[in-house]
Amino acid sequence: QVQLQESGPGLVKPSETLSLTCTVSGGPINIFQWSWIRQPAGKGLEWIGHVHTSGTTNYKSSLKSRVTISVDTSKNQFSLELTSVTAADTAVYYCARVGLGGSGLDYWGQGTLVTVSS
Amino acid sequence: SYVVTQPPSVSVAPGKTARITCGGNNIGRKHVHWYQQRPGQAPVLVMYYDSDRPSAIPERLSGSNSGNTATLTISRVEAGDEADYYCQVWDSASDQPVFGGGTKVTVL
Repeated sequence: QVQLQESGPGLVKPSETLSLTCTVSGGPINIFQWSWIRQPAGKGLEWIGHVHTSGTTNYKSSLKSRVTISVDTSKNQFSLELTSVTAADTAVYYCARVGLGGSGLDYWGQGTLVTVSS
Repeated sequence: SYVVTQPPSVSVAPGKTARITCGGNNIGRKHVHWYQQRPGQAPVLVMYYDSDRPSAIPERLSGSNSGNTATLTISRVEAGDEADYYCQVWDSASDQPVFGGGTKVTVL
């Protein structure tokens, strides 16, 4: 059974960089795309971006200048960096796998709350 | 960019049928995926490619997609179906997923 687990600081200061890692277990990391999605409290899902294990990335336009998503296949991990954070970046952050053939996001991590505050 | 629209809420009595819609321009030409998110939990894929169910999802859930509307139907609604439901499509122009705003299903 494929499992994803997010890890990283739960509190980040304004203007600093949010860094999260997602560890994949129970299945291969290769050949898939891997996504980050966030959800502010009481609001809907917002896709941030995804990375293919080939290294190809795609980011939401409004976040593109601040986002980097990378993958380390040797560690079965992929990561998110979001720079210059503000309170508007406070959210639960999820990592997820993109199913083959674009068949939806078929596996999700449990999510991790990141609060931006001084 | 492509936009999909969902009603904010749907209410349904136990044992009845809930229909959750997802509207978009010619959405019938796209594949629609649906997610269930119970309070405090991560989303779960409950329908993909319009009408395919993952193995763990009960047959009471079904999906359809035609014209400008995709629909997730929950038959014989149970208390455990109370959750937020999100539709999602891929915007082929940008190769990015687009989520609907979500529909809160309340079981009366």
